[in-house]
Amino acid sequence: EVVMTQSPATLSVSPGGRITLSCRASQGVGSNLAWYQQKPGQAPRLLIYGASTRATGIPARFSGSGSGTEFTLTISSLQSEDFAFYYCQQYSNWPPLTFGGGTKVEIK
Amino acid sequence: EVQLVESGGGLIQPRGSLRLSCAASGFTFSSYDMNWVRQAPGKGLEWVSSIIGSGRRTFYADSVKGRFTISRDNSKNTVDLHMNSLGVDDSAIYYCAKASRDGYMHNWYFDLWGRGTLVTVSS
Repeated sequence: EVVMTQSPATLSVSPGGRITLSCRASQGVGSNLAWYQQKPGQAPRLLIYGASTRATGIPARFSGSGSGTEFTLTISSLQSEDFAFYYCQQYSNWPPLTFGGGTKVEIK
Repeated sequence: EVQLVESGGGLIQPRGSLRLSCAASGFTFSSYDMNWVRQAPGKGLEWVSSIIGSGRRTFYADSVKGRFTISRDNSKNTVDLHMNSLGVDDSAIYYCAKASRDGYMHNWYFDLWGRGTLVTVSS
């Protein structure tokens, strides 16, 4: 099983700031990595797939990078609606499909 | 409208059974692989099960293998999750999720999610 580890667990940021979230895979997954955003009481929403491709309708301030075992999600200028949980997911070596434990982005 | 709507959740006693259903609309259902993902209260996301478009192959997390069965009816645009021998650790919101597809390439990330249905296992 590919274990996905996200860091930090919580990130406290001021609106307008730039943040980088990290996701590490226990073995190489190529570029088969997706990022999701989840707000309280809502279903997850796909942000990034293929490690760096934005999903339909996702603003350009969201960007993904990395391959193999190290991945990052960057939000260039944090908006109020971006405060949420973020999860990475690998879809290279499965079953099982595996998610990271999540990063909470909260208002500082 | 492109959407997934789950139903069937509720309060169930330990060792009980429950069937969740997901109704899809707005896309060619039979062309897409479908999935169930769950989220325990205050916890992260956990993949549960997947089924390919034809229904001929299914996949399960070890935590539910032998207890849960995924199935689909392409004539009704529905995917079900039959859950047996439920335990308290199965308490979660269960999301139905559509896997992406790019031509002939099946991509096992999820580009459409339902709002979820809550399953609570408790005596």
